[in-house]
Amino acid sequence: GQQVMQIPQYQHVQEGEDFTTYCNSSTTLSNIQWYKQRPGGHPVFLIQLVKSGEVKKQKRLTFQFGEAKKNSSLHITATQTTDVGTYFCAVNSGSRLTFGEGTQLTVNP
Amino acid sequence: DTAVSQTPKYLVTQMGNDKSIKCEQNLGHDTMYWYKQDSKKFLKIMFSYNNKELIINETVPNRFSPKSPDKAHLNLHINSLELGDSAVYFCASSQVPRYLHNEQFFGPGTRLTVL
Repeated sequence: GQQVMQIPQYQHVQEGEDFTTYCNSSTTLSNIQWYKQRPGGHPVFLIQLVKSGEVKKQKRLTFQFGEAKKNSSLHITATQTTDVGTYFCAVNSGSRLTFGEGTQLTVNP
Repeated sequence: DTAVSQTPKYLVTQMGNDKSIKCEQNLGHDTMYWYKQDSKKFLKIMFSYNNKELIINETVPNRFSPKSPDKAHLNLHINSLELGDSAVYFCASSQVPRYLHNEQFFGPGTRLTVL
């Protein structure tokens, strides 16, 4: 299946700072999904990107899909303590979803 | 109503024992999955069933055996538990595939600790 590399593995920010996590693939992706897992919780679907160069926003979250459909990013503006958790990208190939290693975000109040 | 439920939530057992984890989804989805999440949060797929048929079987020790009595249920039985089996096991489901959209819904997880 397709593989995707996600960086950074950990990110510590002060509340109010911005945060970005990146996913990169060596092959062209059909689509990419993003999930959030709160501490002690389970992964929850955030969004799916399908089109080349696509940008989608959910309040303070901005998701981008690269023009070549080989990379994607999730940017959070002005982080809040409620943003704490692990953010995963996942690439879809038929019925299989392959997850990136995740970025664990901690936010200091 | 809980969309994807798993039991038990916590499982603490001795090495060498056999245990089962149950999963049920009430979303009417055709496909169900088992994932293992290790201490570093890495999510790795183990198995997937579509309409009771095994479609994904990753490199998993044969001590792990999934069973799907119907498309709403997917259970995981583990024989001869080892220390390295300690992890959080997530069940998930999805409707496959509706125009590339394959959002997966995860259960709350089962934290397995092998002593």
